[in-house]
Amino acid sequence: GQNIDQPTEMTATEGAIVQINCTYQTSGFNGLFWYQQHAGEAPTFLSYNVLDGLEEKGRFSSFLSRSKGYSYLLLKELQMKDSASYLCAGLDSNYQLIWGAGTKLIIKP
Amino acid sequence: ETGVTQSPTHLIKTRGQQVTLRCSSQSGHNTVSWYQQALGQGPQFIFQYYREEENGRGNFPPRFSGLQFPNYSSELNVNALELDDSALYLCASYSAASSSGANVLTFGAGSRLTVL
Repeated sequence: GQNIDQPTEMTATEGAIVQINCTYQTSGFNGLFWYQQHAGEAPTFLSYNVLDGLEEKGRFSSFLSRSKGYSYLLLKELQMKDSASYLCAGLDSNYQLIWGAGTKLIIKP
Repeated sequence: ETGVTQSPTHLIKTRGQQVTLRCSSQSGHNTVSWYQQALGQGPQFIFQYYREEENGRGNFPPRFSGLQFPNYSSELNVNALELDDSALYLCASYSAASSSGANVLTFGAGSRLTVL
């Protein structure tokens, strides 16, 4: 079966760094997406990885290891506005997105 | 503004009723997907339309149906509503490729359905 696993909730301090992990099992693999979703709003695109390694985009970076079926999203210099749910999604061989349940990130002052 | 517009934003129905949710996307976005997102869960794929034909469906019963029109607008219809249908319904289309080369799924703001 296809599955995406990520922690349900994480807490971090403003100004700190947090890493949100995601493991995936998909039928075929065509990339791994991270989306941010604030409460009551639609998910918004953060990053896409299809090759192994780290993709950096400002305060946010995303890492992929295809051999381990593993990705993480790294958020630096945390701000209160980063409080949101972070969704990991794998793109399978049919180009369908398989979504995790999301990680709720709570930022404390 | 994501280029994907949904209506209504909120609505309340009672069990057994029918509902139609609407979505419009930018010209040229000829693939539209619908997702159901229950509270605290990730989006669940309902179905996808390409050039007015359904070309993919998730694990949802036939009372979930859809249409896509030539002007790139789309509808999600749900018949015989059940309490568990209460959720955020998201419409999404693929926007221009990201810098990484992937076509990115862009979501509308969603329609929050409450079934009483």
